[in-house]
Amino acid sequence: KAGVTQTPRYLIKTRGQQVTLSCSPISGHRSVSWYQQTPGQGLQFLFEYFSETQRNKGNFPGRFSGRQFSNSRSEMNVSTLELGDSALYLCASSPSGQEVAPLHFGNGTRLTVT
Amino acid sequence: GEDVEQSLFLSVREGDSSVINCTYTDSSSTYLYWYKQEPGAGLQLLTYIFSNMDMKQDQRLTVLLNKKDKHLSLRIADTQTGDSAIYFCAERRATGFQKLVFGTGTRLLVSP
Repeated sequence: KAGVTQTPRYLIKTRGQQVTLSCSPISGHRSVSWYQQTPGQGLQFLFEYFSETQRNKGNFPGRFSGRQFSNSRSEMNVSTLELGDSALYLCASSPSGQEVAPLHFGNGTRLTVT
Repeated sequence: GEDVEQSLFLSVREGDSSVINCTYTDSSSTYLYWYKQEPGAGLQLLTYIFSNMDMKQDQRLTVLLNKKDKHLSLRIADTQTGDSAIYFCAERRATGFQKLVFGTGTRLLVSP
């Protein structure tokens, strides 16, 4: 079974631009979550989608948004990029919304904002 | 607060046991997890424990949970150089759906 796939692996953008990151969950998984990893703040929860609905959101500004499609694939978008948005963005999937299901992570998209 | 605390660094010799500690904050946490991150990679799920358990063993890995003190530990027996990585503990809170709150990470260095 293929794991969680994130594309692209690396991105370089300029301040003020916007970016879209993509995540394909493990086949059959319906929940997709996004996390931001930086050296200063560590791993922080962005949001979670289940059956195309956002169920939970972390403490990030409205510039960070996401969506989930009917095939469970998810995208996150960051508008008006700032230098501080440089990070590794990790996507995770789980079979359902149930607490017993652990999260499986992809290898991430490394975003550099210059 | 939201902080999950871990020591930053641990160095051991190959063949020794490693013990990585974690202190979490929320007594309502339902599941606690250990993830491993190697350079340039995402997070690999190692093991997890339900909050009503005290111990879980999975091959070389042993997880101990002290719910009273909100303390979690991961013991790696017969540590190998391939175990060198950053280890994160994470808690899932009762109302958090799939939101995990991660610790700061412990860098494990295994020397030959």
